[in-house]
Amino acid sequence: GNSVTQMEGPVTLSEEAFLTINCTYTATGYPSLFWYVQYPGEGLQLLLKATKADDKGSNKGFEATYRKETTSFHLEKGSVQVSDSAVYFCALTDTGNQFYFGTGTSLTVIP
Amino acid sequence: ETGVTQTPRHLVMGMTNKKSLKCEQHLGHNAMYWYKQSAKKPLELMFVYNFKEQTENNSVPSRFSPECPNSSHLFLHLHTLQPEDSALYLCASSQVLGQREYGYTFGSGTRLTVV
Repeated sequence: GNSVTQMEGPVTLSEEAFLTINCTYTATGYPSLFWYVQYPGEGLQLLLKATKADDKGSNKGFEATYRKETTSFHLEKGSVQVSDSAVYFCALTDTGNQFYFGTGTSLTVIP
Repeated sequence: ETGVTQTPRHLVMGMTNKKSLKCEQHLGHNAMYWYKQSAKKPLELMFVYNFKEQTENNSVPSRFSPECPNSSHLFLHLHTLQPEDSALYLCASSQVLGQREYGYTFGSGTRLTVV
């Protein structure tokens, strides 16, 4: 079956630190992979995506590379800001009929 | 107004009440979804509609009843809920079902508390 596993949070970083949030997946086909972000009191927003192996998704300084050999899609940012504090969700879909989400990783960035 | 709008933002209801959640999208999308978000758990898909037709009922208890009168509106009717149904209920939309290249657009959710 399809599933997504994210690293346990919460993650607390100082401003300008390097961020990595690990995500690995299990899929029956060739999935598309996504990262969503949820700010306090809001719904989920699409952050970036990759639809095939070796693709790199990027947005707002965040990046993630689709690694088929390690079934991973780790989220990275070189220098986090306080405004990046949110919950981050990794997700996949193989058919587009249903998305499978991880449990979310809470990030707090302190000044 | 653009995007996906959910009302109300917060709802407190007793176990014997009947209430409805509303979702409206102004994106021209044809697929709409209800998800349940509980703490420490992955998002749970509840219902899927494609061109107003329900295509997925993910073993949701009958105390949750969806309605999709047109491609822009989605309702979730609630009755005789249990305290464990307290959660954030998220509505989402996408262009059509079956497009793996695109993600969803989510609303801000309705925070439901059952007392």
